[in-house]
Amino acid sequence: GDSVTQMEGPVTLSEEAFLTINCTYTATGYPSLFWYVQYPGEGLQLLLKATKADDKGSNKGFEATYRKETTSFHLEKGSVQVSDSAVYFCALSSRGGYQKVTFGTGTKLQVIP
Amino acid sequence: DAMVIQNPRYQVTQFGKPVTLSCSQTLNHNVMYWYQQKSSQAPKLLFHYYDKDFNNEADTPDNFQSRRPNTSFCFLDIRSPGLGDAAMYLCATAPEAGSNQPQHFGDGTRLSIL
Repeated sequence: GDSVTQMEGPVTLSEEAFLTINCTYTATGYPSLFWYVQYPGEGLQLLLKATKADDKGSNKGFEATYRKETTSFHLEKGSVQVSDSAVYFCALSSRGGYQKVTFGTGTKLQVIP
Repeated sequence: DAMVIQNPRYQVTQFGKPVTLSCSQTLNHNVMYWYQQKSSQAPKLLFHYYDKDFNNEADTPDNFQSRRPNTSFCFLDIRSPGLGDAAMYLCATAPEAGSNQPQHFGDGTRLSIL
Protein backbone atom coordinates (compact mmCIF):
# COMPACT_ATOMS: atom_id res chain seq x y z
CA GLY A 1 0.00 0.00 0.00
CA ASP A 2 0.87 3.66 -0.05
CA SER A 3 3.30 5.01 2.53
CA VAL A 4 5.15 8.22 3.38
CA THR A 5 8.43 8.38 5.29
CA GLN A 6 9.71 11.66 6.63
CA MET A 7 12.63 12.54 8.83
CA GLU A 8 12.11 12.33 12.53
CA GLY A 9 12.20 15.42 14.62
CA PRO A 10 12.36 17.52 16.47
CA VAL A 11 14.46 19.77 14.29
CA THR A 12 15.87 22.80 16.06
CA LEU A 13 17.29 25.67 14.01
CA SER A 14 18.40 29.20 14.64
CA GLU A 15 16.51 31.99 12.95
CA GLU A 16 17.64 32.56 9.33
CA ALA A 17 19.07 29.05 9.02
CA PHE A 18 18.40 26.85 5.99
CA LEU A 19 15.72 24.19 6.42
CA THR A 20 15.40 20.79 4.77
CA ILE A 21 12.85 18.20 5.84
CA ASN A 22 13.21 14.97 3.89
CA CYS A 23 10.20 13.06 2.60
CA THR A 24 10.08 9.92 0.48
CA TYR A 25 7.05 7.97 -0.61
CA THR A 26 5.85 4.63 -1.94
CA ALA A 27 2.76 4.56 -4.10
CA THR A 28 1.30 2.89 -7.14
CA GLY A 29 0.88 5.09 -10.17
CA TYR A 30 1.37 8.82 -9.98
CA PRO A 31 0.18 10.33 -6.71
CA SER A 32 -0.29 13.97 -5.85
CA LEU A 33 2.05 15.19 -3.10
CA PHE A 34 1.40 17.72 -0.35
CA TRP A 35 3.03 19.40 2.59
CA TYR A 36 0.70 20.40 5.41
CA VAL A 37 1.65 22.51 8.44
CA GLN A 38 0.07 22.30 11.89
CA TYR A 39 0.57 25.11 14.38
CA PRO A 40 0.01 24.38 18.08
CA GLY A 41 -3.65 23.83 18.92
CA GLU A 42 -4.81 24.13 15.32
CA GLY A 43 -5.79 21.90 12.43
CA LEU A 44 -3.68 21.17 9.38
CA GLN A 45 -3.19 23.82 6.71
CA LEU A 46 -2.05 23.13 3.19
CA LEU A 47 1.42 24.60 2.71
CA LEU A 48 2.11 23.53 -0.87
CA LYS A 49 1.38 20.79 -3.37
CA ALA A 50 2.63 19.19 -6.58
CA THR A 51 0.54 17.02 -8.84
CA LYS A 52 3.02 15.60 -11.35
CA ALA A 53 6.67 14.76 -11.76
CA ASP A 54 9.10 17.73 -11.78
CA ASP A 55 6.40 20.12 -10.49
CA LYS A 56 7.65 22.55 -7.86
CA GLY A 57 5.24 23.66 -5.18
CA SER A 58 6.00 26.87 -3.33
CA ASN A 59 4.40 29.07 -0.69
CA LYS A 60 5.61 31.51 1.99
CA GLY A 61 9.24 30.89 1.04
CA PHE A 62 8.90 27.10 1.28
CA GLU A 63 9.56 24.92 -1.77
CA ALA A 64 9.36 21.24 -2.65
CA THR A 65 9.95 19.47 -5.98
CA TYR A 66 8.19 16.26 -7.03
CA ARG A 67 11.03 13.86 -7.88
CA LYS A 68 9.66 10.71 -9.45
CA GLU A 69 13.07 9.10 -9.99
CA THR A 70 13.91 9.28 -6.29
CA THR A 71 10.27 9.16 -5.07
CA SER A 72 10.96 12.21 -2.94
CA PHE A 73 9.32 15.52 -2.05
CA HIS A 74 11.76 17.28 0.29
CA LEU A 75 10.67 20.55 1.91
CA GLU A 76 13.13 23.47 1.88
CA LYS A 77 13.26 27.06 3.04
CA GLY A 78 16.22 29.33 2.69
CA SER A 79 15.79 31.35 5.88
CA VAL A 80 13.48 30.20 8.66
CA GLN A 81 11.72 32.46 11.12
CA VAL A 82 10.50 31.88 14.66
CA SER A 83 6.96 31.94 13.28
CA ASP A 84 7.74 28.84 11.19
CA SER A 85 7.84 26.73 14.36
CA ALA A 86 5.22 24.04 13.81
CA VAL A 87 4.75 20.39 12.84
CA TYR A 88 5.13 19.63 9.13
CA PHE A 89 3.40 16.65 7.50
CA CYS A 90 4.28 15.21 4.12
CA ALA A 91 1.33 13.49 2.46
CA LEU A 92 0.26 11.82 -0.75
CA SER A 93 -3.01 11.13 -2.46
CA SER A 94 -3.29 8.37 -5.01
CA ARG A 95 -5.35 8.72 -8.12
CA GLY A 96 -8.61 6.93 -8.53
CA GLY A 97 -11.56 6.60 -6.23
CA TYR A 98 -12.08 9.01 -3.39
CA GLN A 99 -9.24 11.13 -2.20
CA LYS A 100 -7.62 9.15 0.59
CA VAL A 101 -4.57 10.90 1.97
CA THR A 102 -1.63 9.03 3.44
CA PHE A 103 0.30 11.15 5.94
CA GLY A 104 3.85 10.88 7.17
CA THR A 105 4.43 10.90 10.91
CA GLY A 106 5.20 14.62 11.01
CA THR A 107 8.37 16.57 11.79
CA LYS A 108 8.37 19.14 14.55
CA LEU A 109 10.37 22.26 13.74
CA GLN A 110 11.50 24.64 16.46
CA VAL A 111 13.16 27.88 15.43
CA ILE A 112 15.01 29.76 18.12
CA PRO A 113 15.83 33.49 17.98
CA ASP B 1 -14.25 33.38 4.14
CA ALA B 2 -15.32 29.86 3.26
CA MET B 3 -14.16 27.51 5.92
CA VAL B 4 -14.49 24.36 8.01
CA ILE B 5 -15.72 24.97 11.56
CA GLN B 6 -15.57 22.50 14.42
CA ASN B 7 -17.43 22.86 17.66
CA PRO B 8 -16.60 22.81 20.43
CA ARG B 9 -12.83 23.40 20.41
CA TYR B 10 -12.52 21.54 23.70
CA GLN B 11 -14.84 18.83 24.98
CA VAL B 12 -14.68 17.01 28.28
CA THR B 13 -16.79 13.93 28.89
CA GLN B 14 -16.94 11.12 31.41
CA PHE B 15 -15.82 7.58 30.77
CA GLY B 16 -18.67 5.76 29.00
CA LYS B 17 -20.83 8.87 28.49
CA PRO B 18 -21.83 9.42 24.85
CA VAL B 19 -20.44 12.51 23.19
CA THR B 20 -21.05 14.20 19.84
CA LEU B 21 -18.62 16.42 17.97
CA SER B 22 -19.79 18.63 15.14
CA CYS B 23 -18.35 19.98 11.93
CA SER B 24 -19.79 22.44 9.46
CA GLN B 25 -18.47 23.75 6.17
CA THR B 26 -19.27 26.67 3.90
CA LEU B 27 -17.17 25.33 1.03
CA ASN B 28 -19.98 23.21 -0.45
CA HIS B 29 -17.58 20.29 -0.75
CA ASN B 30 -18.90 16.82 -1.52
CA VAL B 31 -16.46 14.89 0.64
CA MET B 32 -16.14 15.15 4.42
CA TYR B 33 -13.66 13.26 6.58
CA TRP B 34 -13.15 12.56 10.27
CA TYR B 35 -9.64 11.97 11.60
CA GLN B 36 -8.33 11.07 15.04
CA GLN B 37 -4.97 12.55 15.97
CA LYS B 38 -3.12 11.55 19.10
CA SER B 39 -0.19 13.47 20.48
CA SER B 40 2.87 13.59 18.19
CA GLN B 41 1.20 11.32 15.63
CA ALA B 42 -0.18 11.70 12.13
CA PRO B 43 -3.94 12.04 11.70
CA LYS B 44 -5.67 8.66 11.40
CA LEU B 45 -8.68 8.46 9.10
CA LEU B 46 -11.80 7.12 10.82
CA PHE B 47 -14.34 7.44 7.99
CA HIS B 48 -15.52 9.72 5.24
CA TYR B 49 -18.64 10.67 3.36
CA TYR B 50 -18.72 11.10 -0.38
CA ASP B 51 -21.96 13.04 -0.63
CA LYS B 52 -24.34 10.76 1.31
CA ASP B 53 -22.30 7.61 0.88
CA PHE B 54 -20.64 6.57 4.13
CA ASN B 55 -17.25 4.82 4.05
CA ASN B 56 -15.82 3.31 7.20
CA GLU B 57 -12.13 2.48 7.55
CA ALA B 58 -11.61 -1.20 8.33
CA ASP B 59 -9.91 -0.55 11.66
CA THR B 60 -12.29 2.10 12.99
CA PRO B 61 -13.89 0.81 16.21
CA ASP B 62 -17.66 0.26 16.27
CA ASN B 63 -17.77 2.75 19.12
CA PHE B 64 -17.38 5.51 16.54
CA GLN B 65 -20.34 6.50 14.36
CA SER B 66 -21.04 9.40 12.03
CA ARG B 67 -24.00 11.26 10.59
CA ARG B 68 -24.22 13.68 7.70
CA PRO B 69 -27.73 15.16 7.60
CA ASN B 70 -26.90 17.56 4.76
CA THR B 71 -23.97 18.82 2.69
CA SER B 72 -22.89 21.36 5.28
CA PHE B 73 -22.88 19.35 8.50
CA CYS B 74 -21.23 16.19 9.72
CA PHE B 75 -21.22 14.71 13.23
CA LEU B 76 -18.97 12.28 15.02
CA ASP B 77 -20.66 10.22 17.73
CA ILE B 78 -18.64 8.28 20.28
CA ARG B 79 -21.09 5.94 21.96
CA SER B 80 -19.06 4.88 24.99
CA PRO B 81 -15.81 6.81 25.21
CA GLY B 82 -12.86 5.09 26.80
CA LEU B 83 -9.66 6.62 28.09
CA GLY B 84 -7.93 5.65 24.86
CA ASP B 85 -10.30 7.85 22.87
CA ALA B 86 -8.82 11.03 24.31
CA ALA B 87 -7.39 12.79 21.26
CA MET B 88 -7.76 15.67 18.84
CA TYR B 89 -10.52 15.01 16.31
CA LEU B 90 -10.14 16.72 12.97
CA CYS B 91 -12.78 17.28 10.33
CA ALA B 92 -11.73 17.88 6.74
CA THR B 93 -13.41 18.43 3.41
CA ALA B 94 -12.50 18.03 -0.24
CA PRO B 95 -14.41 19.20 -3.31
CA GLU B 96 -14.57 15.89 -5.13
CA ALA B 97 -12.91 12.53 -5.47
CA GLY B 98 -10.08 13.93 -7.58
CA SER B 99 -6.72 13.28 -6.01
CA ASN B 100 -5.01 16.60 -6.80
CA GLN B 101 -7.35 18.65 -4.63
CA PRO B 102 -6.05 19.30 -1.11
CA GLN B 103 -8.18 18.68 1.94
CA HIS B 104 -9.37 21.63 4.00
CA PHE B 105 -9.16 21.09 7.76
CA GLY B 106 -10.98 22.57 10.69
CA ASP B 107 -9.09 23.54 13.84
CA GLY B 108 -10.15 20.36 15.58
CA THR B 109 -11.91 19.39 18.82
CA ARG B 110 -9.70 18.23 21.66
CA LEU B 111 -11.54 15.53 23.58
CA SER B 112 -10.68 14.70 27.17
CA ILE B 113 -12.09 11.73 29.08
CA LEU B 114 -12.47 11.87 32.86
